[in-house]
Amino acid sequence: GAVVSQHPSWVICKSGTSVKIECRSLDFQATTMFWYRQFPKQSLMLMATSNEGSKATYEQGVEKDKFLINHASLTLSTLTVTSAHPEDSSFYICSARLATNYGYTFGSGTRLTVV
Amino acid sequence: KQEVTQIPAALSVPEGENLVLNCSFTDSAIYNLQWFRQDPGKGLTSLLLIQSSQREQTSGRLNASLDKSSGRSTLYIAASQPGDSATYLCAVGSQGGSQGNLIFGKGTKLSVKP
Repeated sequence: GAVVSQHPSWVICKSGTSVKIECRSLDFQATTMFWYRQFPKQSLMLMATSNEGSKATYEQGVEKDKFLINHASLTLSTLTVTSAHPEDSSFYICSARLATNYGYTFGSGTRLTVV
Repeated sequence: KQEVTQIPAALSVPEGENLVLNCSFTDSAIYNLQWFRQDPGKGLTSLLLIQSSQREQTSGRLNASLDKSSGRSTLYIAASQPGDSATYLCAVGSQGGSQGNLIFGKGTKLSVKP
């Protein structure tokens, strides 16, 4: 149980375009999902907390207008990188958990390359 | 602010050896601690979850311990295999974080030589 699916696994886009990444909880409902970013040889850094039916909570330094998060259902959260630039190239990964006393399950991640 | 440190950053061992990976955290007010494995370019696979009230968890050849008062956790891997080669990440569910999100260490890159 507690499977999180993330798509796409990799994407290449041109500067100035937008990219949408999907994160789905396959066998459970997730009122909260988390979006992380990982730069090469660095640890995962939380970007934002996605809340079903309400606005996401962004970590300090993360531009909410650039990284749009939508959590319209209990099983789907999306992260849209708007007007992407090469410095946005990174590994993006989402997570959720079945319940508060359970561990977190992560998606397989999305490698974004902006050219 | 919670900080998580993992030592060593990289480790290379011959197949069959037992090994210990270390994780330390600065704030003992945690909900839980979780060990993950990450293969290159891949997502995270959860290995073990230790609740703040627990001292250790075991799964197969893996054993994780938690000493909350001293801010330390260890991941013990018995009889290592080449397939264990990966980056191992330690993460704490910190009470001071956003809705209990995870704070990660930078990981230990393990290489097990055949």
